[in-house]
Amino acid sequence: DAGVIQSPRHEVTEMGQEVTLRCKPISGHDYLFWYRQTMMRGLELLIYFNNNVPIDDSGMPEDRFSAKMPNASFSTLKIQPSEPRDSAVYFCASSSGSRTHNQPQHFGDGTRLSIL
Amino acid sequence: AQKITQTQPGMFVQEKEAVTLDCTYDTSDPSYGLFWYKQPSSGEMIFLIYQGSYDQQNATEGRYSLNFQKARKSANLVISASQLGDSAMYFCAMDNFNKFYFGSGTKLNVKP
Repeated sequence: DAGVIQSPRHEVTEMGQEVTLRCKPISGHDYLFWYRQTMMRGLELLIYFNNNVPIDDSGMPEDRFSAKMPNASFSTLKIQPSEPRDSAVYFCASSSGSRTHNQPQHFGDGTRLSIL
Repeated sequence: AQKITQTQPGMFVQEKEAVTLDCTYDTSDPSYGLFWYKQPSSGEMIFLIYQGSYDQQNATEGRYSLNFQKARKSANLVISASQLGDSAMYFCAMDNFNKFYFGSGTKLNVKP
């Protein structure tokens, strides 16, 4: 079975450039999550979607970050303009849910982002 | 407020021995899910085991078991017969009404 697929695996770009991270969730999963992981802050939930609708974006650090889910099989996380402090590993995860709590989230391999 | 607490930043265990990784959680809701993930040095996050708050039995998955003590709000991970490949970061997490909380992790080193 295909897992969560993220692209690119690595991204190195210069400060000020637009960065777009992509995610394909597991088919049939109705929840999609974007996380950021750094040594200093650990794993942070940025935003999650249910049935393609953003439910909670309180973790999005600032307006430079935006996320979309145009359909059930694709989501993007965009940073514009990027800054060196955005350097981190970005994970996408998906799960199937219930009213109170979800089945386990399955993570993609992550995108290692470096902003120079 | 800290929802998930992992008090052991790092641990060592001898190969073939069992090890317990601690996790306590904080919620006043009766319904929640508890999870453990493994993150090896290669970086991927691997789901290990799940415990629902209403589950009567402790969850087990192969060499992994979850010691769920609801009254103490603890969900410790027990790894039996440790292997060198178990060396990794381990994260405890809770899903509570679709809010997902991760602990800070425990780095486990298995010694040959």
